[in-house]
Amino acid sequence: GEDVEQSLFLSVREGDSSVINCTYTDSSSTYLYWYKQEPGAGLQLLTYIFSNMDMKQDQRLTVLLNKKDKHLSLRIADTQTGDSAIYFCAESIPGGNTPLVFGKGTRLSVIA
Amino acid sequence: DADVTQTPRNRITKTGKRIMLECSQTKGHDRMYWYRQDPGLGLRLIYYSFDVKDINKGEISDGYSVSRQAQAKFSLSLESAIPNQTALYFCATRGTGSEKLFFGSGTQLSVL
Repeated sequence: GEDVEQSLFLSVREGDSSVINCTYTDSSSTYLYWYKQEPGAGLQLLTYIFSNMDMKQDQRLTVLLNKKDKHLSLRIADTQTGDSAIYFCAESIPGGNTPLVFGKGTRLSVIA
Repeated sequence: DADVTQTPRNRITKTGKRIMLECSQTKGHDRMYWYRQDPGLGLRLIYYSFDVKDINKGEISDGYSVSRQAQAKFSLSLESAIPNQTALYFCATRGTGSEKLFFGSGTQLSVL
């Protein structure tokens, strides 16, 4: 079955880059997602990437995908205190018939 | 107004009580999901529905039931609540052919 793994905690200084890593097990064609959860709120989709891509950039966010190693990363440039949140990696099979499988979430703490 | 609305936002109840959590959406999506979030365990899927007459069990359906009363409404019931059902519960929706999952703000349930 599908499994998504990510480290539970990451602490960075304000202004530095943050890199949050994720590994997944399903080798089928798939979408991979990054969701952000701020305190007291639901999950918000940050970005997603299809498995035929190896990089996607959106302002301060860069997603890198190594399909061979089944490794996904989210890089946040110039990390701000407002980036403090839990970040979830998730994967799905295209077509929408399989629910997303989420990792346990990485809690990012930004130190001023 | 939120696209995916969960009620109540918070609920405290006693062991053995029947509880219903409600979710409604204005996105016109056919697919709806219930997840629970526990610290360090991430999001786990309880039930999901692809249409009004379609109900599917997720990873942790024991002790829960659901009802899809209309396309826009998907409720989660705990027939006899127990303390280990204390968690943050999220409803989510997804459109057919879309890879994006949209979340409500969550219901924090505490079972004493």
